[in-house]
Amino acid sequence: LAKTTQPISMDSYEGQEVNITCSHNNIATNDYITWYQQFPSQGPRFIIQGYKTKVTNEVASLFIPADRKSSTLSLPRVSLSDTAVYYCLVGDWMDSSYKLIFGSGTRLLVRP
Amino acid sequence: NAGVTQTPKFQVLKTGQSMTLQCAQDMNHEYMSWYRQDPGMGLRLIHYSVGAGITDQGEVPNGYNVSRSTTEDFPLRLLSAAPSQTSVYFCASSPVQGMNTEAFFGQGTRLTVV
Repeated sequence: LAKTTQPISMDSYEGQEVNITCSHNNIATNDYITWYQQFPSQGPRFIIQGYKTKVTNEVASLFIPADRKSSTLSLPRVSLSDTAVYYCLVGDWMDSSYKLIFGSGTRLLVRP
Repeated sequence: NAGVTQTPKFQVLKTGQSMTLQCAQDMNHEYMSWYRQDPGMGLRLIHYSVGAGITDQGEVPNGYNVSRSTTEDFPLRLLSAAPSQTSVYFCASSPVQGMNTEAFFGQGTRLTVV
């Protein structure tokens, strides 16, 4: 089973850059790394996905080193509304079926 | 475009009762799945389906049944509700089974079993 390890929680202040690192030592060759955001009482929402090097979209950047055993989600200039739980996922192929397995996530608190 | 729709949003059951949580998606996605989320915890996969007529178990399937007779619908059935099944249930769908796709989640069903 591909597993991920993230910090349980992080604190930041408005306007700062936040970097959340995820460890996935057993990532498979064909696995992508995906990050989801979840607000209280809502379903998770896709943020960004990558395979290697760097990916950037309108809300975040994802940095993946060459060995792909970790990844870092970077949120530039966070605001109070970025307070949420962030999940790092890698795929799980078991018995010829793909499963999206969530870990415990990182609870980000953005303070004024 | 409704995306993934779950009904009901809230439900209270008595121990031993059965019920079906509904999930429908209008994006013609092949892959659908059910998760439960206990307070302060991450999501755990209950069952999933890679297409109509095909279902399989996830991490915590005991006490739940699923069926997939159409592409659009993926109901989750609680056979005999227990207090341990008190949780928030999320349904998700994605275009295909695989790594480089985005999963879309419903707003959840908050279930309390007393």
